[in-house]
Amino acid sequence: EVQLLESGGGLVQPGGSLRVSCAASGFSFSTYAMSWVRQAPGKGLEWVSGISGSGGSTYYADSVRGRFTISRDNSENTVFLQMHSLRADDTAMYYCARGRIIIQSPLLEWGQGTLVTVSS
Amino acid sequence: EIVLTQSPGTLSLSPGERATLSCRASQSIISNYLAWYQQKPGQAPRVLIYGASIRATGISDRFSGSGSGTDFTLTISRLEPEDFAVYYCQHYGGSRTFGQGTKVEIK
Repeated sequence: EVQLLESGGGLVQPGGSLRVSCAASGFSFSTYAMSWVRQAPGKGLEWVSGISGSGGSTYYADSVRGRFTISRDNSENTVFLQMHSLRADDTAMYYCARGRIIIQSPLLEWGQGTLVTVSS
Repeated sequence: EIVLTQSPGTLSLSPGERATLSCRASQSIISNYLAWYQQKPGQAPRVLIYGASIRATGISDRFSGSGSGTDFTLTISRLEPEDFAVYYCQHYGGSRTFGQGTKVEIK
C-alpha cells in the first residue's frame, strides 16, 4: 500500500524559513516523480513544485520560484520542501503527491498534508 | 501558462440526478493531459480521471470524463450521497495548473 506521510508544518513568522518533509513507503520511491501541492484555507489547489525520480530535474510555480527548494533523499524515501522568505499568503495545507515516472503525470497518490501558518 | 476555468462554481442537485461539470482551457491541451480530482471536507484530494477519460483505479463507473483540446467534461451519472464534494480539473503538462473548482452540493 502506498503511503505518504508529511511532517514539519507549523507556525512561522513572516520572512522566516521552514522545511516540510514527506516520507514515502509502499512503492519504489526513486522511480517516481514527486510533487507538492498546497491549499490555502477555504481556497483551491495550487501546484507548488515537482522533482524527478533521480532528483536531477526540479520544477516550481512562479509564486515560489527563488524562495522554495524541492529535494529528495532516495536512500531515505523522503522528499523535502525547503521554504524561505515566507509570506502570509504561503499559509496553507501542503500536500505531498506521487504521480508516475515522468513529472508530466496525474497525481495518483496523496498524503494527508501538513499545515504551514505564516503569521506574527 | 494554461488557465483552466471551471463552471459552474456551484452545482445544486439531488441524489440520483446527473451532474455535468465543465473545464475550459485557455489554450489547447496536448496529449489530453487533463485530470479530475474529488476533494471532501478535511480530506486530501483523490484522482478520479486522467488522460481526460481514463478512470483511475477503484473509481466507480458512475464517473466519466470526456473532451479534448480546450473543452473537457466530468459527468457523474447518478449522484450518490458520497459524491457531494468539490471537484478540480488539472492540466498536468507544462504548468500543472488547477481549475478553481466546482462544488457539488445537495439541493
